[in-house]
Amino acid sequence: GAVVSQHPSRVICKSGTSVKIECRSLDFQATTMFWYRQFPKKSLMLMATSNEGSKATYEQGVEKDKFLINHASLTLSTLTVTSAHPEDSSFYICSARVPSGRGGLGDTQYFGPGTRLTVL
Amino acid sequence: GENVEQHPSTLSVQEGDSAVIKCTYSDSASNYFPWYKQELGKGPQLIIDIRSNVGEKKDQRIAVTLNKTAKHFSLHITETQPEDSAVYFCAATLGAGKSTFGDGTTLTVKP
Repeated sequence: GAVVSQHPSRVICKSGTSVKIECRSLDFQATTMFWYRQFPKKSLMLMATSNEGSKATYEQGVEKDKFLINHASLTLSTLTVTSAHPEDSSFYICSARVPSGRGGLGDTQYFGPGTRLTVL
Repeated sequence: GENVEQHPSTLSVQEGDSAVIKCTYSDSASNYFPWYKQELGKGPQLIIDIRSNVGEKKDQRIAVTLNKTAKHFSLHITETQPEDSAVYFCAATLGAGKSTFGDGTTLTVKP
């Protein structure tokens, strides 16, 4: 299957600082990447859809200015948590979509290993 | 929008037994249904998927069935092993759009 990496895997920062998380598709080109947030023992909450070369589409309730997304190339998307606060502490996971090439019957998402953010 | 319900939320089986997890979805236009396995502290890993033009798919000990009329799909794991213990998520996807995930099932396989 396709491989997606995330960096860093774990980050601890002080309140008020900004943190950048990178998501890379290692062996394929991804025109679309997704960013999720996951709370302990909870499901995946979609934050935004990142499209290469265009602005990200944010889900309702997600602050665009707080969670900056850049998808500058077909293999890299970044999520920057600006002015982080303790309530931003969470597990952030990205995924990249591999087009199925099956006439629009559905595309497969492959997930990165996640980034554990702790804001003190 | 799409709504996915997943049951049960927790499942405990004896090693060697079978495990079944069920999901229902609301949007009849959804046409792609992946299943993911997530181990503690890791990202979800795709284990099997099924597209709307297929009723059943099998990969060794894992199988998925889809009933489009009833709008439900199920994951079947046979001959369970302790390493199958994890959280399993189902998802429903509409075309090339985003996926809607179920709330997850914590599977525990007792040796």
